[in-house]
This record gives sequence, C-alpha cells and structure tokens, in this order.
Amino acid sequence: NAGVTQTPKFRILKIGQSMTLQCTQDMNHNYMYWYRQDPGMGLKLIYYSVGAGITDKGEVPNGYNVSRSTTEDFPLRLELAAPSQTSVYFCASSLDTYSNQPQHFGDGTRLSIL
Amino acid sequence: KNEVEQSPQNLTAQEGEFITINCSYSVGISALHWLQQHPGGGIVSLFMLSSGKKKHGRLIATINIQEKHSSLHITASHPRDSAVYICAVRRGYGGSQGNLIFGKGTKLSVKP
Repeated sequence: NAGVTQTPKFRILKIGQSMTLQCTQDMNHNYMYWYRQDPGMGLKLIYYSVGAGITDKGEVPNGYNVSRSTTEDFPLRLELAAPSQTSVYFCASSLDTYSNQPQHFGDGTRLSIL
Repeated sequence: KNEVEQSPQNLTAQEGEFITINCSYSVGISALHWLQQHPGGGIVSLFMLSSGKKKHGRLIATINIQEKHSSLHITASHPRDSAVYICAVRRGYGGSQGNLIFGKGTKLSVKP
C-alpha cells in the first residue's frame, strides 16, 4: 500500500513562478487535505475536499488553488509564488470526519521561494 | 491564545525515563489525535481518543473531557522515540467542524 504520495519532495521556485504540488492516495478516502507547516507553528489547513468535485477553503487559502477531479488526486496550485509561501506542505486523507479513522499523511514537500 | 496548547515545547530525557507530554484545548471537541513527526518529516497518527485511555506498546494516551486536557505518556523511553509529538483536536463532525486544529508540537529528544 502506497498510502498518500506527494511529489516533488523538494522544490526551489523564483518569485512569481507557478507550480503544482501533486498528491494522490490509493485508500479510496473521501476526504483530502492540504496543510502547510511553518517553523515553530502548528499545521495550518489550506484547502480540503470532501469528495470528487467538492473543495472548500481552510484557514490559510490565499495564494493557492485546488481541484479534485478524481477520488485519488488532489493537486495544490501556486499561481504566483511569493516568499511567504516558503514552507513544508503536507497532503493528507481520511475516510471520513465522524468515526475513529485517523488522517494519513504524505511525506511532505519542502518548498523554497527565492 | 491558541485553541490547542502543548507543553513542554521541548523535552530532553535520558533513555529509560518515563515521559509525559501535555495538551490543553479551549474548544468543545468530538475527538483528539496524537501524531508523531519523525526527524525526516513524515507524520503518523498514534492515537485518536474521544474518552478515557488508550495504550499501544509503550505509549499511553489519556483524555479528560471535563478538564479539556490530554496527556501522552511514553514508558521506558528510547532514543528512537525522539520526534515531534503533535496534539490535534476535531471540533465536530463533517464539514469544517470535522477538520483538525493542531498544536505546535513538543520536540522530544531521548539521549542514550
């Protein structure tokens, strides 16, 4: 079982460039999430999805976009990279949000904007 | 004030010591998670609690809903337990209420 797979693991972008962080899961989970983790801070929710075709904003959505065309994939798009978006990004998935099922995390993408 | 507070922020222990990490929260919750973040960055779920106590190997997690407090205990600590331990709460069920609110984490270092 691959679980949650994120690519790339590392990336350096120049200010103003765009890129897509890829996330795929093979557990047939309905819920998927994108978080960012900044030094000394807790994980912050960027966007989440409750199923294919349905996405919603989290706590820190500005500067990002998402789509969910399939159950498996939940890419995160940065359109105009800014230094404030330097962070470690985690994708996660869960079966639901009302049972005792945990969230499963990818290994993270370390992104630097220079 | 953060909705989820962890203490201590950093903890250094000698191998074999009993370790306690605390988590306090200020909102009503439906469940609380304890997660472990390895030095390489990966995050894994350790426990999900809505009441009482859970045990897995040398790890024990407890929660007191009335006091809005949870503890994670590690017995007979080992250097491989060195990691960041993260507390997260789920406020409700479904929609945005089903999302997690995370503490800042407790960095544990166990010396041989």
